[in-house]
Amino acid sequence: SQQGEEDPQALSIQEGENATMNCSYKTSINNLQWYRQNSGRGLVHLILIRSNEREKHSGRLRVTLDTSKKSSSLLITASRAADTASYFCATDLGFGNEKLTFGTGTRLTIIP
Amino acid sequence: DAGVIQSPRHEVTEMGQEVTLRCKPISGHDYLFWYRQTMMRGLELLIYFNNNVPIDDSGMPEDRFSAKMPNASFSTLKIQPSEPRDSAVYFCASTTGTDNNEQFFGPGTRLTVL
Repeated sequence: SQQGEEDPQALSIQEGENATMNCSYKTSINNLQWYRQNSGRGLVHLILIRSNEREKHSGRLRVTLDTSKKSSSLLITASRAADTASYFCATDLGFGNEKLTFGTGTRLTIIP
Repeated sequence: DAGVIQSPRHEVTEMGQEVTLRCKPISGHDYLFWYRQTMMRGLELLIYFNNNVPIDDSGMPEDRFSAKMPNASFSTLKIQPSEPRDSAVYFCASTTGTDNNEQFFGPGTRLTVL
């Protein structure tokens, strides 16, 4: 079964609002990454957070990681119509294991 | 760099036919991954290579599926014989294998088996 589960499965918000997506995973990890997938396209890497980090920022993105709860959140501030996409978390175990395990994804729709 | 290149972008075939999907990873990337994405099962890792050697093929669903990487710039995923349940989008991705481990995805091949 997949390592990560995203919550919610789908989210619709008005343009300009903030969007928050959550990811939970089952085992200890090395890194956690977030990817975006526009309809009909491949996944694009957004941000990586290491297991010894608690929060990371990149532009309008803010990622948190709580290893005690095995969960992460992705916050997109001041959303734009172009943010409409599916968002996936992915985890790896490190120690030379480059395999990523992806979550189920959150479908985000920004309403203009 | 042009990014990860996949061909064909779309493939429609009939059940029982052989299907070959192709991937060219980003130059200098030592790892190559094949994924399958469906609505029902999400994104699944099928197999990945390191320096052209298969490392983990535990996600390959059946013996009908095979993958090769004859050199650092080319990989194929073959399905023989194809079945309607193989219909999906197949993605190839590559990475350098550094601690960053960011994967770069190709545009995918949408396979429809009739």
